[in-house]
Amino acid sequence: AQSVTQLGSHVSVSEGALVLLRCNYSSSVPPYLFWYVQYPNQGLQLLLKYTTGATLVKGINGFEAEFKKSETSFHLTKPSAHMSDAAEYFCAVSDQGNNDMRFGAGTRLTVKP
Amino acid sequence: KAGVTQTPRYLIKTRGQQVTLSCSPISGHRSVSWYQQTPGQGLQFLFEYFSETQRNKGNFPGRFSGRQFSNSRSEMNVSTLELGDSALYLCASSDRASYGYTFGSGTRLTVV
Repeated sequence: AQSVTQLGSHVSVSEGALVLLRCNYSSSVPPYLFWYVQYPNQGLQLLLKYTTGATLVKGINGFEAEFKKSETSFHLTKPSAHMSDAAEYFCAVSDQGNNDMRFGAGTRLTVKP
Repeated sequence: KAGVTQTPRYLIKTRGQQVTLSCSPISGHRSVSWYQQTPGQGLQFLFEYFSETQRNKGNFPGRFSGRQFSNSRSEMNVSTLELGDSALYLCASSDRASYGYTFGSGTRLTVV
């Protein structure tokens, strides 16, 4: 079965600094990969996804992620953090054609002024 | 297009009771999945329904059950509630696997 490991349960950056949230996956078949963001007392919102094609995917709010098959990674980045980026971020994987999506433990991002 | 609607938003129940949570997916979405979110265990997959059939199931006891109706609306039921069932229950709908999920705002269940 597929699984996801997010390195670092808490990440703190200064406003304007680079955001890097790490995600490694395990899947026996080509995966679909996703990043979601969750604000307090809300559901999850899709930031971006990789299915096939271009390995660098751009999402909402200036985030992007690169699928690296050789490293089984799908790290999330944003060049310049904003205070509004403070939230919890989840990486997720599902096997192609299968809606059984598995989530990582989440990374809480704090942005310092 | 209306989003995923979960009702109720908040619920307080007593140990031993049962509870039913409801989820209305985005119109046209036939897949509905349920997740339990707790601070200690994170997001845990409960089950997925597609066209009224349970297609995938997570590792939860039989007290947790669900169903999907012909209009794709889904309900999940938890019987004989335990304190540890206190959690945010999230429903998500999807048109197809490559599109990802759209989540509802969740139902926060507190068991006392």
